[in-house]
Amino acid sequence: KNQVEQSPQSLIILEGKNCTLQCNYTVSPFSNLRWYKQDTGRGPVSLTIMTFSENTKSNGRYTATLDADTKQSSLHITASQLSDSASYICVVSLSSGGSYIPTFGRGTSLIVHP
Amino acid sequence: DTGVSQDPRHKITKRGQNVTFRCDPISEHNRLYWYRQTLGQGPEFLTYFQNEAQLEKSRLLSDRFSAERPKGSFSTLEIQRTEQGDSAMYLCASSLGQGPLEQYFGPGTRLTVT
Repeated sequence: KNQVEQSPQSLIILEGKNCTLQCNYTVSPFSNLRWYKQDTGRGPVSLTIMTFSENTKSNGRYTATLDADTKQSSLHITASQLSDSASYICVVSLSSGGSYIPTFGRGTSLIVHP
Repeated sequence: DTGVSQDPRHKITKRGQNVTFRCDPISEHNRLYWYRQTLGQGPEFLTYFQNEAQLEKSRLLSDRFSAERPKGSFSTLEIQRTEQGDSAMYLCASSLGQGPLEQYFGPGTRLTVT
């Protein structure tokens, strides 16, 4: 069964600190991996998208890495801000006959305290 | 047109009633996706359209669920004979073109079945 596992389930950090979120997947054949930020009660917003040939992708203070051999990805947040408090969801898409079926992780809930 | 819109944002219904949700994608986007998200979980893929054609349906989409995109623009998701287990956030997303694509999510419709 194709799965996406995220860790930790939740994380509390102080404003200004860095943090790293993890995503392990078993989806195969792999098409692409995306990280989304979802504020409470809202739809997810894309942060990064990587294909299997990409190792890293940055978007401001967010940097995603991908190791397609070990099937692991991480999202690093630098100099956290209060507005970073949200759920961060890893999504891996299966490549199957031209369709791209996404499998979502449960998300990591990040709380940034002042 | 600044993004994906969904209507209504909230719906409370009694068990056994039918409900219909609407999604308006970003105007030039040819792909449209429906997801369901329960509290503390990541979104679960339900179905997607390319233009007016429904190309993929998840096993989660029981016979009580039906989705349409008659003119390749807006889409509707209908749930017949609602059950309490249908209570969730229903998210719509759209994307443009072929291949691994950036999906833009709407704000979601929160359904509560009493």
